[in-house]
Amino acid sequence: GAVVSQHPSWVICKSGTSVKIECRSLDFQATTMFWYRQFPKQSLMLMATSNEGSKATYEQGVEKDKFLINHASLTLSTLTVTSAHPEDSSFYICSVRVTSGYEQYFGPGTRLTVT
Amino acid sequence: QKEVEQNSGPLSVPEGAIASLNCTYSDRGSQSFFWYRQYSGKSPELIMFIYSNGDKEDGRFTAQLNKASQYVSLLIRDSQPSDSATYLCAVSQAGSYQLTFGKGTKLSVIP
Repeated sequence: GAVVSQHPSWVICKSGTSVKIECRSLDFQATTMFWYRQFPKQSLMLMATSNEGSKATYEQGVEKDKFLINHASLTLSTLTVTSAHPEDSSFYICSVRVTSGYEQYFGPGTRLTVT
Repeated sequence: QKEVEQNSGPLSVPEGAIASLNCTYSDRGSQSFFWYRQYSGKSPELIMFIYSNGDKEDGRFTAQLNKASQYVSLLIRDSQPSDSATYLCAVSQAGSYQLTFGKGTKLSVIP
């Protein structure tokens, strides 16, 4: 499978500030990455699909101006939570899709707490 | 609306037994099926994927797919306490790389 890293693994920020989360594909070039959010005791919710070199595709109900996604290279996608609020506190997880199939491999996740 | 249904559990099995996890999906156009394991506080880990009807075995894990019944299952043989986790079923539609996840089944293997 693919090896995916995320940074930071956890972050605490104050309400109104912005936070950037990095997702890196370490062992292959990923043209497509995905960003998910998971609230406690709930399943994963897809936020957006990140395509290298083009604009991300956001799921219905996800504010694209609040959750900025940049996929500038084949190994790096970033998610910036702008003007964070306590309700944005969640577990943010990225995944990469292998080019040979449909499998997705997840990064370790970033736990965001907004105070 | 595309739905993936799983029994939330918890499913408790004794150590050494077979754990059987089930998943149904609503979209007949679904093409690819995945089982992920998620330990508490961690991200999901892919353990099996299956694309064709029938069984697929990998070590102690067997995935079973029945497209006519829109049903996919995961069997874990010789269950170990380390298998205790939430198991997520995920499905993607033909031509799509997006996954739709079920809410997961919590498995507890009792020593």
